[in-house]
Amino acid sequence: NAGVTQTPKFRVLKTGQSMTLLCAQDMNHEYMYWYRQDPGMGLRLIHYSVGEGTTAKGEVPDGYNVSRLKKQNFLLGLESAAPSQTSVYFCASSPDLYYNEQFFGPGTRLTVL
Amino acid sequence: AQKITQTQPGMFVQEKEAVTLDCTYDTSDPSYGLFWYKQPSSGEMIFLIYQGSYDQQNATEGRYSLNFQKARKSANLVISASQLGDSAMYFCAMRETGNQFYFGTGTSLTVIP
Repeated sequence: NAGVTQTPKFRVLKTGQSMTLLCAQDMNHEYMYWYRQDPGMGLRLIHYSVGEGTTAKGEVPDGYNVSRLKKQNFLLGLESAAPSQTSVYFCASSPDLYYNEQFFGPGTRLTVL
Repeated sequence: AQKITQTQPGMFVQEKEAVTLDCTYDTSDPSYGLFWYKQPSSGEMIFLIYQGSYDQQNATEGRYSLNFQKARKSANLVISASQLGDSAMYFCAMRETGNQFYFGTGTSLTVIP
């Protein structure tokens, strides 16, 4: 099993450009999450999904959209990137709400110039 | 108010000694979960230990134990017999009902040979 994978690993954007980050998991997990990690601020939840076709807002959802068209994939979109979205983005998954662990992907480092 | 507070930005410990990393949380939710993750310099998030709000006993996983004091709303991580490979960032996190996750700002642990 590959676990949780993220594509791409690195990306540089110009202000106003759009892009999509892909998260894929092969563990048949229902729950998937997108976080951002900024220096000195820990991880903050952007959006999450409790199953195929469902999404919900986390702590910092503004400027991002997500989709979960297939159970194994969770996409994070930036329609008009801003320098404030420069961050490391982590995807995670878990089997259900009460499972004791989230499985994290390796992260995507995004720089917006 | 911060949901998760980690007051120690950096900690040093001698190899083979024990170290306690502090974490306090804030919630009015009667059902919640507390987690500790390790993030080495390579960047991945590694799950260490979990404590449920209704668990009567402190969680333990090998050299890791969680000192759960519910009335004080603290969930400190204790690492026994520190090893050089324990040098990393450590994050405390909380899951509330409704699947919202909150992470602290982390503690950087350095193990000294």
